[in-house]
Amino acid sequence: AQSVTQLDSHVSVSEGTPVLLRCNYSSSYSPSLFWYVQHPNKGLQLLLKYTSAATLVKGINGFEAEFKKSETSFHLTKPSAHMSDAAEYFCVVSPLWGGGSEKLVFGKGTKLTVNP
Amino acid sequence: DTGVSQDPRHKITKRGQNVTFRCDPISEHNRLYWYRQTLGQGPEFLTYFQNEAQLEKSRLLSDRFSAERPKGSFSTLEIQRTEQGDSAMYLCASSQQGENTEAFFGQGTRLTVV
Repeated sequence: AQSVTQLDSHVSVSEGTPVLLRCNYSSSYSPSLFWYVQHPNKGLQLLLKYTSAATLVKGINGFEAEFKKSETSFHLTKPSAHMSDAAEYFCVVSPLWGGGSEKLVFGKGTKLTVNP
Repeated sequence: DTGVSQDPRHKITKRGQNVTFRCDPISEHNRLYWYRQTLGQGPEFLTYFQNEAQLEKSRLLSDRFSAERPKGSFSTLEIQRTEQGDSAMYLCASSQQGENTEAFFGQGTRLTVV
């Protein structure tokens, strides 16, 4: 079975400061891991994905995430927050191989607020 | 526009009524997923199709819920005898079969049961 835990339900940062959104995963199989962003009244958009290639994954809009197997973590970071980054962020896990399921399992989300 | 489209975007219905939602996936995608998202929660998996075959259903999908994808293209999700607890955002996503494929999501149908 797969699951993800997003450690913070809300994160507030000032514009121009670093962003850290934390995610821990649990998977019986080699996982694929994703971060999705959801802006109000918009669909979920993929930020980045890890699929067993490089452990440091770069995504859109300056975001990146590092897969750490020893810590079962996949934290999302950005060096400098922009006002447009304010949104809900979801960490997502799916089995890369096997597991008999193609479903994505979402965390509960982290709401990011960016203050001017 | 070649993204995933869902119709309607909003639906208000009285308790006990039936509702049906439609999802049109990206045309070359053979996988289609339905998720439900309630306020303050992440999306929860409901069911998944590969072409016209429904391959997996969540325990969340009670017998009042039925999904179809008759020709392997668009899909419908029907909820019979709606209850207030069915109020949620219903999300559809599609992807191609294979490794490392990305799921593309529609904007969802927001259901309110009054």
